[in-house]
Amino acid sequence: GEDVEQSLFLSVREGDSSVINCTYTDSSSTYLYWYKQEPGAGLQLLTYIFSNMDMKQDQRLTVLLNKKDKHLSLRIADTQTGDSAIYFCAERRMDSNYQLIWGAGTKLIIKP
Amino acid sequence: DAGVTQSPTHLIKTRGQHVTLRCSPISGHKSVSWYQQVLGQGPQFIFQYYEKEERGRGNFPDRFSARQFPNYSSELNVNALLLGDSALYLCASSFQVYEQYFGPGTRLTVT
Repeated sequence: GEDVEQSLFLSVREGDSSVINCTYTDSSSTYLYWYKQEPGAGLQLLTYIFSNMDMKQDQRLTVLLNKKDKHLSLRIADTQTGDSAIYFCAERRMDSNYQLIWGAGTKLIIKP
Repeated sequence: DAGVTQSPTHLIKTRGQHVTLRCSPISGHKSVSWYQQVLGQGPQFIFQYYEKEERGRGNFPDRFSARQFPNYSSELNVNALLLGDSALYLCASSFQVYEQYFGPGTRLTVT
């Protein structure tokens, strides 16, 4: 995951919006993903965006993609305690033969 | 509908031993991928199989091998285990190439 970078921690108050950021390096990336991992669990696909899109919204989740800056963000509106988890950004490159390249994950901490 | 299932859930092995991990994809999914996740890091790609053929291989030594069966289930084999092989091994299945759904993983501890 060294080519995909994320902050290790984000702390927000319950009810506020959380914005988790990710930068990637390969301009040929076709799809970019956000996964959620709760303690001791596998990875849950939250949402993904195709590289020709700028934004995708799905209920409380909004994904923004800035291809010029190779920057991806995930906004979670009205953050709840159940959103506490590690959030991974991943990219699928055109030449990657189906594999996903992952960031190290951002741990979202919810303060009451 | 059942999601991706993996067995066993946990496993403890000794250095030098061999291990086999199993994965059953979501019904209708023909592609299976394997990832290794070391504590505190993102997953690292090991293999991808589609219709029983290897479609991709990550930067792992030859001690790691895999196969996919006619029913699309898959096995990951690791020989001559090292302490550094201790990790969560994740299996993902997909129908469309751009979506991967993960199982709960197998926690392997090598002592």
